[in-house]
Amino acid sequence: AQSVTQLDSQVPVFEEAPVELRCNYSSSVSVYLFWYVQYPNQGLQLLLKYLSGSTLVKGINGFEAEFNKSQTSFHLRKPSVHISDTAEYFCAVSDSGGGSQGNLIFGKGTKLSVKP
Amino acid sequence: EPEVTQTPSHQVTQMGQEVILRCVPISNHLYFYWYRQILGQKVEFLVSFYNNEISEKSEIFDDQFSVERPDGSNFTLKIRSTKLEDSAMYFCASSELQVGVPLHFGNGTRLTVT
Repeated sequence: AQSVTQLDSQVPVFEEAPVELRCNYSSSVSVYLFWYVQYPNQGLQLLLKYLSGSTLVKGINGFEAEFNKSQTSFHLRKPSVHISDTAEYFCAVSDSGGGSQGNLIFGKGTKLSVKP
Repeated sequence: EPEVTQTPSHQVTQMGQEVILRCVPISNHLYFYWYRQILGQKVEFLVSFYNNEISEKSEIFDDQFSVERPDGSNFTLKIRSTKLEDSAMYFCASSELQVGVPLHFGNGTRLTVT
């Protein structure tokens, strides 16, 4: 079984500061990793994904994440945040092998609050 | 860009009543999903659906729940007799393939059971 831990439930940060949202996962099989963002009153929008290849993945809105297999982490980073980045961010994992590949396991989410 | 649409955005119902949550997935997608998010908790997988049948379901998806694709465009989640603990945001999602392709989520239906 897989699980995802997002260590920080809330991250306040000032505009133009860098930010890192942490995500750790556990799994006995190979996984795909995703970050989704949820703006207020909206659905979940894909930010970026790691399937294979380069461990540094770039996504939309200037976000990037690095897959670290030895530390079972997939932390999300942005070098300079904007007010509009205020949202809740979800890390998710799915089995990359047989079965359950569409079944995403989500973390609890991290609320990013960007202050002027 | 095509999107997954869900209706209604908010549904209020009394305990014991049946509710049907509706979703229109992206037209060329083949895999369909329902997830739910109880306030303050994780987004949880409920069920996946492919080729007109359930391909996987979680422990949450008990006999009170059912899914259906009644026509070529809609995908519905029915809760037969709602309980207070069914109050949550329900998200529909769809994907073109099952392998390594991200899910496209709708904006959700907030279900409130009173």
